[in-house]
Amino acid sequence: EIVMTQSPATLSVSPGERTTLSCRASQSVSSNVAWYQHKPGQGPRLLIYAASTRATGIPARFSGSGSGTEFTLTISSLQSEDFAVYYCQQYNNWPLTFGQGTKVEIK
Amino acid sequence: EVHLLESGGGLVQPGESLRLSCEASGFTFSSSALSWVRQAPGKGLEWVSALSANVISIHYADSVKGRFTISRDNSKNTLYLQMNSLRAEDTAVYYCAKRSAGEEFFDYWGQGILVTVSS
Repeated sequence: EIVMTQSPATLSVSPGERTTLSCRASQSVSSNVAWYQHKPGQGPRLLIYAASTRATGIPARFSGSGSGTEFTLTISSLQSEDFAVYYCQQYNNWPLTFGQGTKVEIK
Repeated sequence: EVHLLESGGGLVQPGESLRLSCEASGFTFSSSALSWVRQAPGKGLEWVSALSANVISIHYADSVKGRFTISRDNSKNTLYLQMNSLRAEDTAVYYCAKRSAGEEFFDYWGQGILVTVSS
């Protein structure tokens, strides 16, 4: 099973700031990584797939990069609606696996 | 608009069974692969099971293999998860998720349904 490790567990950020979330795979997953935003009481929302492709309707302030084992999600200027938990997911191998999440909270 | 609505959750005792349903609309259900993903209290997301559109490809997480069965009824646009021999560690919010065409990531999710396994 491929283990996805996200860091940090929590990020305290002020609105308008730029922030970067990291995700590391225990073995190469090529570019088969997706990122999701999850808010309480809702289903997760797809942000990024294929490591760097924004999903339909996702604002340009969200960007993804990486390949192999190292991946990042960057939010260029945090808006109030961006405070949430973010998960990476690899889909290169079964079983599909998620990182443990990074909570982005208001500083 | 794509809509996924889970139902069938609730409180059950360890060892009992429960069947979850996910009613879909807004897309061609019969052509779409789907999965169940869960989130235990205070924990992250855990993929549970996946079923291809043609029902040929079925996958389970090791944690549920032999106890859970995924199925679909295309005439009812509904995905199911039959959960047997439930354990306390199966307590979670269960999400139905639609696979994006061609790849195993998820472009749409339901709002989730709570399953609690407790005596």
